[in-house]
Amino acid sequence: DSGVTQTPKHLITATGQRVTLRCSPRSGDLSVYWYQQSLDQGLQFLIQYYNGEERAKGNILERFSAQQFPDLHSELNLSSLELGDSALYFCASSPWLTYGYTFGSGTRLTVV
Amino acid sequence: GQQLNQSPQSMFIQEGEDVSMNCTSSSIFNTWLWYKQDPGEGPVLLIALYKAGELTSNGRLTAQFGITRKDSFLNISASIPSDVGIYFCAGQPPGAGSYQLTFGKGTKLSVIP
Repeated sequence: DSGVTQTPKHLITATGQRVTLRCSPRSGDLSVYWYQQSLDQGLQFLIQYYNGEERAKGNILERFSAQQFPDLHSELNLSSLELGDSALYFCASSPWLTYGYTFGSGTRLTVV
Repeated sequence: GQQLNQSPQSMFIQEGEDVSMNCTSSSIFNTWLWYKQDPGEGPVLLIALYKAGELTSNGRLTAQFGITRKDSFLNISASIPSDVGIYFCAGQPPGAGSYQLTFGKGTKLSVIP
């Protein structure tokens, strides 16, 4: 157990729907990162939050949004889902701004 | 955007053999990291390299940050069955901002007992 908790583990939904993925960072970690892992694109950085504020944005679609709450948990919202959004979504956390992230086990999203 | 090329894509080795894999980029990177991912799990950080030429070990694993800052390699000595998994290199390209990482596509390692 890495200490980073992601829920749900699996999610199956239809095209056009909206889902919310949740991440609880390790205790004491202020920084949260979201990554998407697909077979053809590999691991792609989506967005980073630090202590509630957005710090960096990567290849995140406009249909996707995220936030980090005062208790430091984070949610990734995916809307108007398309088949191509099917992927593993990972959350990672770190105590401060560093490369030594700890990844969660991921949420596998399947859009049908 | 920045891309990292990992090779080989996959490899099959006998238990006890040494393994070498590498990662290259067409542009310089400021930081190189190596992660391992087991099925159904997230990547786990193995080694982090922060300076060109740096050579770092973690048990049977050794990694180096290339002098040109455009490559890195990972060696595993005396492989064991639990080394099976996908190994990813990752790095931060200059100007990327914050601590986002660019990942390679991975090297899938299979160990034959």
